[in-house]
Amino acid sequence: EPEVTQTPSHQVTQMGQEVILRCVPISNHLYFYWYRQILGQKVEFLVSFYNNEISEKSEIFDDQFSVERPDGSNFTLKIRSTKLEDSAMYFCASSGRLNTEAFFGQGTRLTVV
Amino acid sequence: EDQVTQSPEALRLQEGESSSLNCSYTVSGLRGLFWYRQDPGKGPEFLFTLYSAGEEKEKERLKATLTKKESFLHITAPKPEDSATYLCAGFYYNQGGKLIFGQGTELSVKP
Repeated sequence: EPEVTQTPSHQVTQMGQEVILRCVPISNHLYFYWYRQILGQKVEFLVSFYNNEISEKSEIFDDQFSVERPDGSNFTLKIRSTKLEDSAMYFCASSGRLNTEAFFGQGTRLTVV
Repeated sequence: EDQVTQSPEALRLQEGESSSLNCSYTVSGLRGLFWYRQDPGKGPEFLFTLYSAGEEKEKERLKATLTKKESFLHITAPKPEDSATYLCAGFYYNQGGKLIFGQGTELSVKP
């Protein structure tokens, strides 16, 4: 069964460092998303991406964040200068069409120390 | 701001004891609603999509329903393996596919 895969599963980084979280969406999907979940809190939307551009972004997704689809299979989230409050589980998701079910990866746990 | 609220926050059931989880949402502009299951440390696993009031979807012991202002996830004769956090998420027109999640209901089913 097709699935969304994310790497790494866990990343520890020092405050101020750049991190790149990687995702391989389901192969025939066209819409891609990043969400995050701080421990014990709701899953929060960060950004949606379609046709090589951002469709929608939240207030959380400020200038420190960027997304890229560098090739036909990968979708990345970059955090330029990490803060302690960026520590969270980051989920990538993809869907075949707009407003249809989004399938989530297993997440990358980011710990900023 | 669009909101999705779930209740109760936590629910403990005995195996075989049926119950329902509630999800209420901002009605204006709602395009549809998803239900997901989330196990600890894992990503949300898709369960159901509901688009219209009156719609029902079923899968094994789970049935999701949608009214004009809320959705229910009914669990019939649950088993311990149904223990998880159940999330509902609304999506709205002209928001680029953004999902707004509730805080989830943590379900525990004891044998």
